[in-house]
Amino acid sequence: GAVVSQHPSRVICKSGTSVKIECRSLDFQATTMFWYRQFPKKSLMLMATSNEGSKATYEQGVEKDKFLINHASLTLSTLTVTSAHPEDSSFYICSARAGNTGELFFGEGSRLTVL
Amino acid sequence: GESVGLHLPTLSVQEGDNSIINCAYSNSASDYFIWYKQESGKGPQFIIDIRSNMDKRQGQRVTVLLNKTVKHLSLQIAATQPGDSAVYFCAENWKGGSEKLVFGKGTKLTVNP
Repeated sequence: GAVVSQHPSRVICKSGTSVKIECRSLDFQATTMFWYRQFPKKSLMLMATSNEGSKATYEQGVEKDKFLINHASLTLSTLTVTSAHPEDSSFYICSARAGNTGELFFGEGSRLTVL
Repeated sequence: GESVGLHLPTLSVQEGDNSIINCAYSNSASDYFIWYKQESGKGPQFIIDIRSNMDKRQGQRVTVLLNKTVKHLSLQIAATQPGDSAVYFCAENWKGGSEKLVFGKGTKLTVNP
C-alpha cells in the first residue's frame, strides 16, 4: 500500500535552534500534504495545508514565520520549526493526498523535544 | 475551532464484547467521514470511512453509522480484542474555502483480557 515516510522520527534540539522535518510520499505523487501537531493525550490539530509549487495555507493561530513549510516536489514537503522553544515540543504528523485517487495517507509522526 | 467532538473520552470493555465509540460533528457541509486508530507514538491508521450519502458501512469487525439529522457518527467494533486498545478519532472532511480533514478529540479504548 501507499506509504508516507517522515524523517526524523525523533529529534531533540536546544532552544533557539531550527529543526526540519521531512514528509515523503514513497510510491505516489502527492499534490497536497497536510501538517498536524499533536500534544499528549490530545487530538491532531491541523497546522497548514501544503500544495506543490505554491505557498502553504496556514490555519488560524499558526505562525507562518515560525513554522516554515515547503512543498518543492510532488513527493516531498518539509516543515521547519524555527527558533524552537520548549513549548514547540510536540508530535508532528504529516499526511499526503494522492493526486490520482484523492486518498489520504498518514506518516508515522516526528516527535520533537526542545530542551 | 474544532467542529468534531466525542461524547466519551475513555471506554473500557471486556475482551469479546462489542464496543461503540461516538462522535458529534457540526459542519453540515462535510461530505466524508473517517475513523482512525492511533497507537501510542504512531501516526493515525485508517479504519473505515463513510460518505454523507450513506447511513451505514461495514468492514471487517467494524461498522460506521452516520446520522445526518443529528450530526452523529459512531464506530462499532465487534468482538473487541486486546489489539484494539488504542485511541480512536473521528475526522470529517471539511469543505469550506479549502478541503481539509478536521479531527475530533479522541476516545481511548481499553480492552481488558
